[in-house]
Amino acid sequence: GQQVMQIPQYQHVQEGEDFTTYCNSSTTLSNIQWYKQRPGGHPVFLIQLVKSGEVKKQKRLTFQFGEAKKNSSLHITATQTTDVGTYFCAVFLAPSGTYKYIFGTGTRLKVLA
Amino acid sequence: DAEITQSPRHKITETGRQVTLACHQTWNHNNMFWYRQDLGHGLRLIHYSYGVQDTNKGEVSDGYSVSRSNTEDLPLTLESAASSQTSVYFCASSEYPGNNEQFFGPGTRLTVL
Repeated sequence: GQQVMQIPQYQHVQEGEDFTTYCNSSTTLSNIQWYKQRPGGHPVFLIQLVKSGEVKKQKRLTFQFGEAKKNSSLHITATQTTDVGTYFCAVFLAPSGTYKYIFGTGTRLKVLA
Repeated sequence: DAEITQSPRHKITETGRQVTLACHQTWNHNNMFWYRQDLGHGLRLIHYSYGVQDTNKGEVSDGYSVSRSNTEDLPLTLESAASSQTSVYFCASSEYPGNNEQFFGPGTRLTVL
């Protein structure tokens, strides 16, 4: 079945270092979403990417959709303690008229002050 | 402000009991979703609904049921709770069925003893 692999599973960084998480799919995607979940909280939507090669920025966060639309990345520049949490990618699929949302397993980011 | 709420926030029950988790949204969204979140598995879709009287099975629907009698509510029922259903449950809603931001509720932590 459809797999969405997310790496790494965990990442510890010193405050000020950069961080990147990757999401890879076995099939071509129509779109990909990214969510952030703070410890003890609920997932919060960050962004959606739709176009091949798309790059979007939100302050220190840069989101990229691969040219083949099979992978995506989230890069945080100069991490801060407020970046702590788990970052999930999510894809929406509609094979044969059914609908599926599949979330990656997430990357848990810890920022050391 | 529009919101999505879940109740109870914490629940402890015994194996074999029927449990219902409530989800209520005031976004007036047609699309509602139930997920469970377990360590190492990310978020997995249990059931979803694209409108009143519409319900569909997700990836991990066995042992769960939902009903949609109005736009605002999508209760999740565990017909006979099992220890394997100990998890954190999130309800979400979105304006469109795909390619669209999902708004998550605060979650319900369910423990089945």
